[in-house]
Amino acid sequence: DGGITQSPKYLFRKEGQNVTLSCEQNLNHDAMYWYRQDPGQGLRLIYYSQIVNDFQKGDIAEGYSVSREKKESFPLTVTSAQKNPTAFYLCASRPRTSGGRDIQYFGAGTRLSVL
Amino acid sequence: AQSVSQHNHHVILSEAASLELGCNYSYGGTVNLFWYVQYPGQHLQLLLKYFSGDPLVKGIKGFEAEFIKSKFSFNLRKPSVQWSDTAEYFCAVNPYPDTGRRALTFGSGTRLQVQP
Repeated sequence: DGGITQSPKYLFRKEGQNVTLSCEQNLNHDAMYWYRQDPGQGLRLIYYSQIVNDFQKGDIAEGYSVSREKKESFPLTVTSAQKNPTAFYLCASRPRTSGGRDIQYFGAGTRLSVL
Repeated sequence: AQSVSQHNHHVILSEAASLELGCNYSYGGTVNLFWYVQYPGQHLQLLLKYFSGDPLVKGIKGFEAEFIKSKFSFNLRKPSVQWSDTAEYFCAVNPYPDTGRRALTFGSGTRLQVQP
C-alpha cells in the first residue's frame, strides 16, 4: 500500500533527552513536511523539505532538527532545547506539480509526551 | 503571511441536523482552499478542495463548501449529519502560485460531536 508511515505511534521523552520521530513515504513525493498539533491551535509547520539534501525552517523550528538524506525519509529530532515538546506530530508529503495545485497527504502521527 | 480563522471551536449537533462550519482566511492574493477531517484515531484526510472554477465544491461523504471571494470565506456544509461525522475539521489554505514553501496554513480546528 502506498502511504506515509510514522513511527513510533507513542513516544516518551525524559528531561534532557533528544528523541527522533520517523517518517517514511513510498508515494515518490518530492516535498515532505513536519507539523505539530496542539489542542485548539491547529497544525503548525516545524520544518519542510522540497528535495533531497535540502530543508527549511517553518514557523516553529526552535528546538527541532531534521535531515533529508533520502527521498523517502524525513526524520524529525526533538532536542532537549524544545521546552514544551508534548504534542501530536504529523508528517506529510506532497508531489511536485506546477504552481502548487496539489494535495498534502498525512501520516497517522506520533504522540510525544514528557516523563 | 496568510492566516486562517475557524470561529466554531466545538459544535454539538443531533443526527439529521444541518451543519455549517465557518472558515475565513486573510491573504491578499489567490489561494488554494482545503478542508481536512480527522476522525478519532485516524489519519488527517482530505474532505474537499477548491482550486478554481465553480465556487461551490463537493467532497466526500456529502460535504460541500462554498468559496466566497469577497468575504474571504470557505464555509463547510452538510445538510444532514450522521453520528459517523464526529471528528475534528480543519480548514487550510496555501497561496497560488506557490511561494516556494508550498506548506499549508491551518485553522485551529472545529471539533464536531454528533449525538445519536
